Amino acid sequence: DIQMTQSPSSLSASVGDRVSITCRASQGIGNSLAWYQQRPGKGPELLVYATSRLESGVPSRFSGSESGTDYTLTISSLQPEDFATYYCQQYYASPRTFGLGTKVEVK
Amino acid sequence: EVLLVESGGGLVQPGGSLRLSCAASGFTFSNHWMHWVRQAPGKGLVWVSLISSGESSTRYADSVKGRFTISRDNAKNTLFLQMNSLRAEDTAVYYCAREGTGTLAFDMWGQGTMVTVSS
Repeated sequence: DIQMTQSPSSLSASVGDRVSITCRASQGIGNSLAWYQQRPGKGPELLVYATSRLESGVPSRFSGSESGTDYTLTISSLQPEDFATYYCQQYYASPRTFGLGTKVEVK
Repeated sequence: EVLLVESGGGLVQPGGSLRLSCAASGFTFSNHWMHWVRQAPGKGLVWVSLISSGESSTRYADSVKGRFTISRDNAKNTLFLQMNSLRAEDTAVYYCAREGTGTLAFDMWGQGTMVTVSS
């Protein structure tokens, strides 16, 4: 199975901060990576697919990038509604593995 | 409105069975591969199973293989997960998720249904 190592597991930030979350794949996955946001008590929501493509309706402050086997989700200016947990997922191969999540908390 | 609504969760004893359902509306259900993903209390997301649009292909996580069966009724726009021989470690919120036709990512999720396995 492809392992997705996500870091950090949590971070504290303030509104307006630039925030980055990284996932490292245990083997090559091409651009088959997605990022999801999950708010407490809710189902996840797709933010980014194909490494860097923004899902329709997702604010432009979210962006995705890749360097080798490292994939990064960046929030350019954190907004109050962005305090949530974020997960990466590879869909290059089955099983479609997720990272363990990054909880973005208020500083 | 595009919706996925799960049902069928509840409290079941170890060794018992449950059948989860996911009702889809607002889109052409038969065009999409569908997945089940679960989340144990306070934990992360874990992929469980997939089924192709035409039901010809199914896959399972090793942890549920031989115990869970995924199926779908395209005429009724409904996805199912039959769960047998349930264990305490199967306790989780179960989400159904739609795979995007162009993206392959999970572009729509339900609100989840809680399954608790306990005596």
